[in-house]
Amino acid sequence: AQSVTQLDSHVSVSEGTPVLLRCNYSSSYSPSLFWYVQHPNKGLQLLLKYTSAATLVKGINGFEAEFKKSETSFHLTKPSAHMSDAAEYFCVVSDRVAGNMLTFGGGTRLMVKP
Amino acid sequence: KAGVTQTPRYLIKTRGQQVTLSCSPISGHRSVSWYQQTPGQGLQFLFEYFSETQRNKGNFPGRFSGRQFSNSRSEMNVSTLELGDSALYLCASSLLSGLDGYTFGSGTRLTVV
Repeated sequence: AQSVTQLDSHVSVSEGTPVLLRCNYSSSYSPSLFWYVQHPNKGLQLLLKYTSAATLVKGINGFEAEFKKSETSFHLTKPSAHMSDAAEYFCVVSDRVAGNMLTFGGGTRLMVKP
Repeated sequence: KAGVTQTPRYLIKTRGQQVTLSCSPISGHRSVSWYQQTPGQGLQFLFEYFSETQRNKGNFPGRFSGRQFSNSRSEMNVSTLELGDSALYLCASSLLSGLDGYTFGSGTRLTVV
């Protein structure tokens, strides 16, 4: 069975400082991994995805994530936080064994202080 | 290119009633999935449809059902509503499968009173 653990439920950073949102996954098959962002009262927007190509994945709005199989991790980073980055972030896994179903982590709420 | 469209955006229903939510996927997308989002349980998978066939189903009671039409539009129905069904219901579409990533709609906020 696949599962996702987001290690921090809340992260607070100052504007202009780096962002690190941590994610560990479990999958019985070669997984696809995603990061989604959700702004208040909005749907989910895909930030980036890993689908067994390059392990360092670049996404929108300056975000990137590195797939580390040995550590079963897929942490999300951004060099410099912007106020508009304040939102909830979800790490998501999908694999063929689970029938392509998406399994979501519990979410990390990112707060950006001015 | 239009995104995933969900209607209505907001709904208020009474316990015991039934409700139907609608989702129009991105043009050309054949896979449509539904998710329930609540503060307590987070995001949970309901079901997935591909070419009018239910391909996968989550762990929800039979009161939750869905279908997909030949134009890939999808509906989900919840019968005999309970207070605990209050949630944001999200629809997502993909070209072929979840392995490629889904595009989500803005959701339907259902409140059961």
